[in-house]
Amino acid sequence: DQQVKQNSPSLSVQEGRISILNCDYTNSMFDYFLWYKKYPAEGPTFLISISSIKDKNEDGRFTVFLNKSAKHLSLHIVPSQPGDSAVYFCAASDRSNDYKLSFGAGTTVTVRA
Amino acid sequence: EADIYQTPRYLVIGTGKKITLECSQTMGHDKMYWYQQDPGMELHLIHYSYGVNSTEKGDLSSESTVSRIRTEHFPLTLESARPSHTSQYLCASSESRDRAPGELFFGEGSRLTVL
Repeated sequence: DQQVKQNSPSLSVQEGRISILNCDYTNSMFDYFLWYKKYPAEGPTFLISISSIKDKNEDGRFTVFLNKSAKHLSLHIVPSQPGDSAVYFCAASDRSNDYKLSFGAGTTVTVRA
Repeated sequence: EADIYQTPRYLVIGTGKKITLECSQTMGHDKMYWYQQDPGMELHLIHYSYGVNSTEKGDLSSESTVSRIRTEHFPLTLESARPSHTSQYLCASSESRDRAPGELFFGEGSRLTVL
């Protein structure tokens, strides 16, 4: 039962433009959400997170938006850079499960020069 | 910043062989995890440990086993590998203090191919 879904397997964007990655979840108990970035032949690295008590968190070029009523979150990258080309995983967790992460299948972002 | 190491990075073996994937971290983290991931798919938690002599199975059933005899070391073993075990195995650790809940540090992964 996949509780975290990233319905777009890939995204191509021109350098300098905005990248928007979407993620939906089904478990209403989730109260913490994270985004990870993964380059080929490397492990995922933490990018940004958001608590369910917030609807927005910003860190430099990266902003995560959370819409709890829609069970939807998105990651905005502005402006997109060639080094942002990677796979982005959405993950969610909740206190009742000791914050063990449930991951989406990832979205491959390609930034075109 | 993250100091978590996995060996081997790549392994190709025949069916029936016993293999151990090594994972070590030098951050003193109590919590360690093994995830399995196939291309284009989500990461699935197969084992986790909250400290020495503590191991639990994750959400995805796996024929592998783990041990946690030392804080820094969390090896994964397959007694008899089969082609269905072909996958990437990712080790991770976490420390909740001063970190987002659930924030994990991952190793670079071990890609296993069973012929």
